[in-house]
Amino acid sequence: AQRVTQPEKLLSVFKGAPVELKCNYSYSGSPELFWYVQYSRQRLQLLLRHISRESIKGFTADLNKGETSFHLKKPFAQEEDSAMYYCALEIGNYQLIWGAGTKLIIKP
Amino acid sequence: NAGVTQTPKFQVLKTGQSMTLQCAQDMNHNSMYWYRQDPGMGLRLIYYSASEGTTDKGEVPNGYNVSRLNKREFSLRLESAAPSQTSVYFCASLRRGHGYTFGSGTRLTVV
Repeated sequence: AQRVTQPEKLLSVFKGAPVELKCNYSYSGSPELFWYVQYSRQRLQLLLRHISRESIKGFTADLNKGETSFHLKKPFAQEEDSAMYYCALEIGNYQLIWGAGTKLIIKP
Repeated sequence: NAGVTQTPKFQVLKTGQSMTLQCAQDMNHNSMYWYRQDPGMGLRLIYYSASEGTTDKGEVPNGYNVSRLNKREFSLRLESAAPSQTSVYFCASLRRGHGYTFGSGTRLTVV
């Protein structure tokens, strides 16, 4: 079955500390994975897509097919990183399968 | 370039009332989607339209109808609103491999 799992509902770290938001997926095909971010009361925005191998706002994510993971990382958290983060898997029939989201809180 | 535009931003309905949420995109995307977002439940797909002229049910279609009016516009209709439909509704369009572009959302309260 196709599934995206974000095991942490809430992650709280201090400013300047490293951040890792976990995402695991289950999919029999070739995965196309994304991270979306939603700042307080704003629309969801695309943060990263694995095919582009970008670094946005200091965040990176590497697809590990062996571990079926696509964890989001940032070496030094900033207060403006506080937001909801969603991992999503694009499947063949034009849909995204979403994780439940992780709320990231950066403490000063 | 406005991206995805949703109206209204806020709405309060009484139980049993009807309303239509409007969505338009100017990116020439083929696929459009309606999601609802509820606390602790992430995003759930209501309906989607893979291309102009087609619509399909998503995970939670009951109580909703949609119309893909043309390539730009995809509306969501609540025929008889219920308190369980209190939610934040997001419209999105998709370019394959590049992810979704979302609208700013409609915060709907049914009392």
